[in-house]
Amino acid sequence: KAGVTQTPRYLIKTRGQQVTLSCSPISGHRSVSWYQQTPGQGLQFLFEYFSETQRNKGNFPGRFSGRQFSNSRSEMNVSTLELGDSALYLCASSLVPPPGGLHGYTFGSGTRLTVV
Amino acid sequence: DAKTTQPPSMDCAEGRAANLPCNHSTISGNEYVYWYRQIHSQGPQYIIHGLKNNETNEMASLIITEDRKSSTLILPHATLRDTAVYYCIVRGLAGNQFYFGTGTSLTVIP
Repeated sequence: KAGVTQTPRYLIKTRGQQVTLSCSPISGHRSVSWYQQTPGQGLQFLFEYFSETQRNKGNFPGRFSGRQFSNSRSEMNVSTLELGDSALYLCASSLVPPPGGLHGYTFGSGTRLTVV
Repeated sequence: DAKTTQPPSMDCAEGRAANLPCNHSTISGNEYVYWYRQIHSQGPQYIIHGLKNNETNEMASLIITEDRKSSTLILPHATLRDTAVYYCIVRGLAGNQFYFGTGTSLTVIP
């Protein structure tokens, strides 16, 4: 079966611009989570969606937002980009969120965002 | 969710068993231990998880101490493709995220 698909794979944006990243979960998976990975901070949780509702949010400023559609696809948006937003953004899906998601997540390969 | 401590790096000879330790001394009774790995430029990959009993699957074995304060991931016959960063994560059923920490960078040497 197809894995988690993230588009685009690479993106270069200028400071102050906004960006939208897309994630298509594995077919049948209804829970989608987003993580930011940087060399200095490692993997950090952004937010989690289930059935179009944001269930949890990490400690990120309001410039980071997301949504989930009825087909479980998810997008995340970053407005007013800063240099420090340069990172690998990873999306992960699971059948259901905890306690059902005990087998963990399946991650996509990520979107590499570079802000210049 | 409890936090974990792992050695920053380890080497292992190809074909030998790789034993990756993890300390989670503040783990509570309903928290599971998960292991993921991340190969360069890819998303993390689920390996195995357990609560209190030892677990084995096609990828690895997970040994959890009786007091559950530490665990060891065992890759029985390491190959070059097992070179990756390995993350030990503790998460409860009500946990809202995986806290990945810094992980252990495993290098399998030919």
